[in-house]
Amino acid sequence: AQSVTQLGSHVSVSEGALVLLRCNYSSSVPPYLFWYVQYPNQGLQLLLKYTSAATLVKGINGFEAEFKKSETSFHLTKPSAHMSDAAEYFCAVSDGRSARQLTFGSGTQLTVLP
Amino acid sequence: DSGVTQTPKHLITATGQRVTLRCSPRSGDLSVYWYQQSLDQGLQFLIQYYNGEERAKGNILERFSAQQFPDLHSELNLSSLELGDSALYFCASSVREGGYGYTFGSGTRLTVV
Repeated sequence: AQSVTQLGSHVSVSEGALVLLRCNYSSSVPPYLFWYVQYPNQGLQLLLKYTSAATLVKGINGFEAEFKKSETSFHLTKPSAHMSDAAEYFCAVSDGRSARQLTFGSGTQLTVLP
Repeated sequence: DSGVTQTPKHLITATGQRVTLRCSPRSGDLSVYWYQQSLDQGLQFLIQYYNGEERAKGNILERFSAQQFPDLHSELNLSSLELGDSALYFCASSVREGGYGYTFGSGTRLTVV
C-alpha cells in the first residue's frame, strides 16, 4: 500500500523567496512520484514526475524536486516565488510501475505575499 | 484547455437520484481514470479503464459504476445519491496505463441537496 504525507497544509512565502513544499511517501514497491498543481476552479496540472531515472527532476514553471530514497522524500522547490505560483500543490505516489492508481497527499496551499 | 473534456461542469440534484458524468479523453489517449475530490477525504482514486476494459478499482462505492465506450469516452454513473457524495469528480486520461502522469479534466462539481 502507498501513502503520501505533505507537511504543512498552508505555506506562505514572499515574492522572490524560496519555495519549499514537503512530501514524504511510503510505498511497498519502487514508486513513481508526481507533483501536481491545482489553480482555483481548475483541474490538476502535472508539474513534474520521477520515474526512476535522474533523482533530480525538473518540471514546468521553474519547479524541481529531488527523490531521496533514504529519506523517502520528494520535496518540491522553486528558487524564486512568483505571485502566479499561488495555488494548491499535491504530491502523489503510484501503485508501482504500472501507475494505474495514484495516491495523493492532502495538498499544500501556497500563498505568495507581495 | 487540457484536452480532457468533462460534462456537465456543475450538477445539482436531490438525494436518492441518479446522475451520469461524462468524460472525453485527449485525442489518442486510451486510458481513463476517475477521481473524487472532497473536503474530508481529499483526492480518491475511483476506477480506471484502458481501451474499454476495467483495469483498476479503488475506493468506489457499489452505488457507483463506470464504463468506457468504443469511442473511448467514459461515463461515471452515481446512483442513490447521498449528501456525502457531493464532491468534485475528475476524469483524467493517458496514452498508456499510467506510469508517466495523467492529464486531468477540469472536473464536474456535484452538489446533492
